Amino acid sequence: GESVGLHLPTLSVQEGDNSIINCAYSNSASDYFIWYKQESGKGPQFIIDIRSNMDKRQGQRVTVLLNKTVKHLSLQIAATQPGDSAVYFCAENIGGDYKLSFGAGTTVTVRA
Amino acid sequence: EAEVAQSPRYKITEKSQAVAFWCDPISGHATLYWYRQILGQGPELLVQFQDESVVDDSQLPKDRFSAERLKGVDSTLKIQPAELGDSAMYLCASSPMGQPYEQYFGPGTRLTVT
Repeated sequence: GESVGLHLPTLSVQEGDNSIINCAYSNSASDYFIWYKQESGKGPQFIIDIRSNMDKRQGQRVTVLLNKTVKHLSLQIAATQPGDSAVYFCAENIGGDYKLSFGAGTTVTVRA
Repeated sequence: EAEVAQSPRYKITEKSQAVAFWCDPISGHATLYWYRQILGQGPELLVQFQDESVVDDSQLPKDRFSAERLKGVDSTLKIQPAELGDSAMYLCASSPMGQPYEQYFGPGTRLTVT
């Protein structure tokens, strides 16, 4: 698989490999994080979420890891498929309300 | 599967003109959000409604932007007058009562101001 240490705006992955998308968040008080997938011409689509009292959560082919010490979030996609090509955003809640703040996004391109 | 509907999908307007976007949330969703997404960036919240009431419009440029949700169902976002810097994707999202983070997004309206 291919991994990135810090947030990069683009990620190119060979079909079948694992993908790791990283995100650094800013607010140490944030207690809820979400990953969204946005395909070209569409609105963001919920992938998976995690609360701050957890450090790992798994979904179907996806795993989110949360490191509160360094305020880092990652999304792992297993066996990346062409349909995974999209822009991926992490989002965190801000303060005590329900407002979400989105990161800059990572464009994932899957190579056949 | 229920979806958030938005129209128009694309809009081209000249600066200083008025433009309006419409959103129909998923049936039964009490909370509605309008976001602006500049190309290459993540969405930024403009306004949030709970039923027909505005609960957050702190990032809405109120000198030119307005939003309403008169009957607590569908919503309209208006820009008057439009400026070149308003060119962006305008996304609407909705969430069910008690689950504010479970936001479902519509396909967006791509606005180009010339």
